[in-house]
Amino acid sequence: RKEVEQDPGPFNVPEGATVAFNCTYSNSASQSFFWYRQDCRKEPKLLMSVYSSGNEDGRFTAQLNRASQYISLLIRDSKLSDSATYLCVVNGGNEKLTFGTGTRLTIIP
Amino acid sequence: NAGVMQNPRHLVRRRGQEARLRCSPMKGHSHVYWYRQLPEEGLKFMVYLQKENIIDESGMPKERFSAEFPKEGPSILRIQQVVRGDSAAYFCASSLTVRGLNYGYTFGSGTRLTVV
Repeated sequence: RKEVEQDPGPFNVPEGATVAFNCTYSNSASQSFFWYRQDCRKEPKLLMSVYSSGNEDGRFTAQLNRASQYISLLIRDSKLSDSATYLCVVNGGNEKLTFGTGTRLTIIP
Repeated sequence: NAGVMQNPRHLVRRRGQEARLRCSPMKGHSHVYWYRQLPEEGLKFMVYLQKENIIDESGMPKERFSAEFPKEGPSILRIQQVVRGDSAAYFCASSLTVRGLNYGYTFGSGTRLTVV
């Protein structure tokens, strides 16, 4: 089983819609969680940290379910600029972050 | 406060040559990580270093690849005798770790290595 698993997509979503991604992780001792965004041929950039029961930042909401070992990312009122690959990232407590392979999102006008 | 600086941005090498990739972490960050991303694939961990120490090199190929982070100067990822399969984007990241918890990475813009 992979340490971090994501649905690779692609997700093709109309502008203004709500879209959600899930990610599962295998290490129950994992301590912190992140969502990164990567645009084509660019470096990954931190979108949100996810602590405890989750958090919200504008149109973006991240949630953590420790019992089921998954985290989610919800994007409301999606915009064309949200088109990117979204990377689920987990810190297993050893100071090394493990990346999922990413979920590709395309927002359609 | 400059971010993570990587150079060169693009590097072309012939098969059998050496490639040297450099990374300077963000000011105040003492942890450096190297990741490799093959076309259409995810980021794969290679190596984690602190100043003058390799902490975790479990993702490094056993041959031809080496990394260092000297007391002075940038971290260097060195690939000897490059082959076509080494063509990839190599990303460096640095982090601030507090009490053993990593609070997320900041990535450099990457070095795109092309082996011809």
